[in-house]
Amino acid sequence: AQSVTQLDSQVPVFEEAPVELRCNYSSSVSVYLFWYVQYPNQGLQLLLKYLSGSTLVKGINGFEAEFNKSQTSFHLRKPSVHISDTAEYFCAVSENSGNTPLVFGKGTRLSVIA
Amino acid sequence: DGGITQSPKYLFRKEGQNVTLSCEQNLNHDAMYWYRQDPGQGLRLIYYSQIVNDFQKGDIAEGYSVSREKKESFPLTVTSAQKNPTAFYLCASSSRRTGMYEQYFGPGTRLTVT
Repeated sequence: AQSVTQLDSQVPVFEEAPVELRCNYSSSVSVYLFWYVQYPNQGLQLLLKYLSGSTLVKGINGFEAEFNKSQTSFHLRKPSVHISDTAEYFCAVSENSGNTPLVFGKGTRLSVIA
Repeated sequence: DGGITQSPKYLFRKEGQNVTLSCEQNLNHDAMYWYRQDPGQGLRLIYYSQIVNDFQKGDIAEGYSVSREKKESFPLTVTSAQKNPTAFYLCASSSRRTGMYEQYFGPGTRLTVT
């Protein structure tokens, strides 16, 4: 079975500063990895995904993440955040067979301060 | 536009009543999922269905029921046996055929039971 740990429940950061949201996973099989963003009272929107290939994955809104198999990590980064990035961010993992449920971390609340 | 619709956005019920949450998708996806979201808990899987007329229990299926009579629809019934039904419910779908593997989410239904 897979599990996901998001190491920080809340991350405050000043506008235009860089940010890293940390995610570690455990699994006995090969996995796919995802980051989603959720704005208040809305569904989840995919930011980026790792399926295979290059370990550095670029997503929407200037976010990127790096898959590190030896560290079993998939940290999300952005070099300069905006007020509009304030949201909840979820890391998720699934078995690499497709159409299997995602296992989510508990989320990281990113608050961007003006 | 293709997507997932959930209705209603907000739902209020009295304790002891069953309530059904609607989820419809026009993405031609095979698999559909129901998740429950509580503050600080991330998303937890209730039920999922990989094909019409078949579904599997997730981690927190007790007190819930589903049906999958049509590919497009996956309604969730919250029964009176669910001890803590107040939560935000999210429906999702995915398709292995597209080779994309990520799940697409609806806007959610916030259920309040008093």
